[in-house]
Amino acid sequence: NAGVTQTPKFQVLKTGQSMTLQCAQDMNHEYMSWYRQDPGMGLRLIHYSVGAGITDQGEVPNGYNVSRSTTEDFPLRLLSAAPSQTSVYFCASRRFQGQTYEQYFGPGTRLTVT
Amino acid sequence: GQQVMQIPQYQHVQEGEDFTTYCNSSTTLSNIQWYKQRPGGHPVFLIQLVKSGEVKKQKRLTFQFGEAKKNSSLHITATQTTDVGTYFCAGPENENQGGKLIFGQGTELSVKP
Repeated sequence: NAGVTQTPKFQVLKTGQSMTLQCAQDMNHEYMSWYRQDPGMGLRLIHYSVGAGITDQGEVPNGYNVSRSTTEDFPLRLLSAAPSQTSVYFCASRRFQGQTYEQYFGPGTRLTVT
Repeated sequence: GQQVMQIPQYQHVQEGEDFTTYCNSSTTLSNIQWYKQRPGGHPVFLIQLVKSGEVKKQKRLTFQFGEAKKNSSLHITATQTTDVGTYFCAGPENENQGGKLIFGQGTELSVKP
């Protein structure tokens, strides 16, 4: 199993540009989420999904859109990039049912907005 | 909303010294998880604690969950350079398994050989 994969690894955008960060998992996990990581801020939840067709907002959703058309994929869209969105973005997945909340993280996308 | 606070933010130790990071939640948690992130890497799950007062060990790492289920700690005995990284605690926002997982700010550990 590849686990959780993310593309691209690095991206530089100009202010106002749009782009989609890709995330895929092959573990048949129902629950997927996007976090951003900034120095001293830990991991902040952007959006999450408990299954195909269901998404919800996290702590910092403004400026980001998500959709979940399949169990495997959970793309994150930046509609109009701003310098404040410069960050490292992690996608994660886990089982929705069961006793363990263990989340599996992807390798991350390092985004710079100039 | 729920807040998860971690202290200290940074810890520098000499190899062989002990290290402890503390995690406090503003609300009672159904469980708490700990993750480790190596420099340049992604968070990796270490352990989950569920029961009040629970203590679990993984080699030199000892994890505790408070009696009130609002705080937790991670203690590393005799640190090694391989322990370098940032340690995060995380707790679900509510009892629902679909609840959001809220992370603390993390404690960055550096170990001087």
